[in-house]
Amino acid sequence: ELKVEQNPLFLSMQEGKNYTIYCNYSTTSDRLYWYRQDPGKSLESLFVLLSNGAVKQEGRLMASLDTKARLSTLHITAAVHDLSATYFCAVDPAGGATNKLIFGTGTLLAVQP
Amino acid sequence: NAGVMQNPRHLVRRRGQEARLRCSPMKGHSHVYWYRQLPEEGLKFMVYLQKENIIDESGMPKERFSAEFPKEGPSILRIQQVVRGDSAAYFCASSPTDRNQPQHFGDGTRLSIL
Repeated sequence: ELKVEQNPLFLSMQEGKNYTIYCNYSTTSDRLYWYRQDPGKSLESLFVLLSNGAVKQEGRLMASLDTKARLSTLHITAAVHDLSATYFCAVDPAGGATNKLIFGTGTLLAVQP
Repeated sequence: NAGVMQNPRHLVRRRGQEARLRCSPMKGHSHVYWYRQLPEEGLKFMVYLQKENIIDESGMPKERFSAEFPKEGPSILRIQQVVRGDSAAYFCASSPTDRNQPQHFGDGTRLSIL
């Protein structure tokens, strides 16, 4: 059974600092997604990573994928309060006949002024 | 373009009652997924449907839960004889045929069982 683990589970950081969230998964995958969820809200798609070595950036967030290591990272640069949210990675198992996503446990990010 | 529409946003049921959750996918999307999120946990896949077909229901509990996506109308997730453990947020997502596109999520239905 595919397992997706994120760390840390909780991250408190100061504005202006940099940090990385890690997403490890236990079997091969050809698609990995990052989502953001605000409290009581739905999930917002941030990044779609489709191949080994893929790197995507949007504002202060940058995501990368290493399929050989079965690892994705979400890097936060010069954090601001508006980035406070829960971040999920989700994996689409390789070769699957369906598009179901296996979600990580989530990382709750709190950016302090 | 309207996003994924779920209703109701909040639903309260007593134990033993039935709960019906509705989901209309984004325009142009033919794939619908249901996920369940327990408090402070990630989302767990339940079922994947296309029009009139259940493609993957490997995440659905064997009893009391069913889903459909009829030719006309929204997708329905139905929970019969609800129990306290069914309390959760239920999210619907939709996607186009292109698997390189992300799933788009609705705002969810928060189900509370008294």
